[in-house]
Amino acid sequence: DIQLTQSPSFLSTSVGDRVTITCRTSQVIGNYLVWYQQKPGKAPKVLIYSTSTLQSGVPSRFSGSGSGTEFTLTISSLQPEDIATYHCQQLNSYPITFGGGTKVEIK
Amino acid sequence: QVQLQESGPGLVKPSQTLSLTCTVSDDSITTDIYYWNWIRQPAGKGLEWIGRVYSNGEPYYNPSLKSRVTISVDTSKKRFSLKLSSLTATDTAVYYCARGYNRETMDVWGQGTTVTVSS
Repeated sequence: DIQLTQSPSFLSTSVGDRVTITCRTSQVIGNYLVWYQQKPGKAPKVLIYSTSTLQSGVPSRFSGSGSGTEFTLTISSLQPEDIATYHCQQLNSYPITFGGGTKVEIK
Repeated sequence: QVQLQESGPGLVKPSQTLSLTCTVSDDSITTDIYYWNWIRQPAGKGLEWIGRVYSNGEPYYNPSLKSRVTISVDTSKKRFSLKLSSLTATDTAVYYCARGYNRETMDVWGQGTTVTVSS
């Protein structure tokens, strides 16, 4: 199985800050990396797919990058509505696996 | 906009079999460009992919659950189903269904259904 390690697991930051979340994979996965946002009591929602493609309707302050075994999700200026847990997922090979999640809170 | 809706019992006894259904609101379940997934999330924990099925009925399961899982599809009723046997308390979780597209994304998710395994 391909293991995904997210860091940090918890982030406390301020509105307007730049936020970067990293997802490291145990094997090379091409660009088959997806980022989801999950708010409490809700299903995950796609933000970024294929490493860097912004899902339709997602604000442009979200961006994704990376290659090989290291990928990042960046929020250029954190907004109050971005408080959530963020998950990475690999779709390169079965079984499909997820990172452990990064919880983002406001200071 | 397509919607997915999970249904099934919220409480199941240990050793029993869980049966959940996901109903798809449009005809996308009849096309072979999508695949249909079950994912679960224990309270306060991460997401675990259980398995998927294509419209032709071809399944693939997570090896960690393979011996206990069956996923099937009924395109005429626009739904797919999960059966998970020999339940224990560790199977207590929110169960989601989701639509997958190529190796790009799982673009549509159900709202989730909470399943508790307890006597």
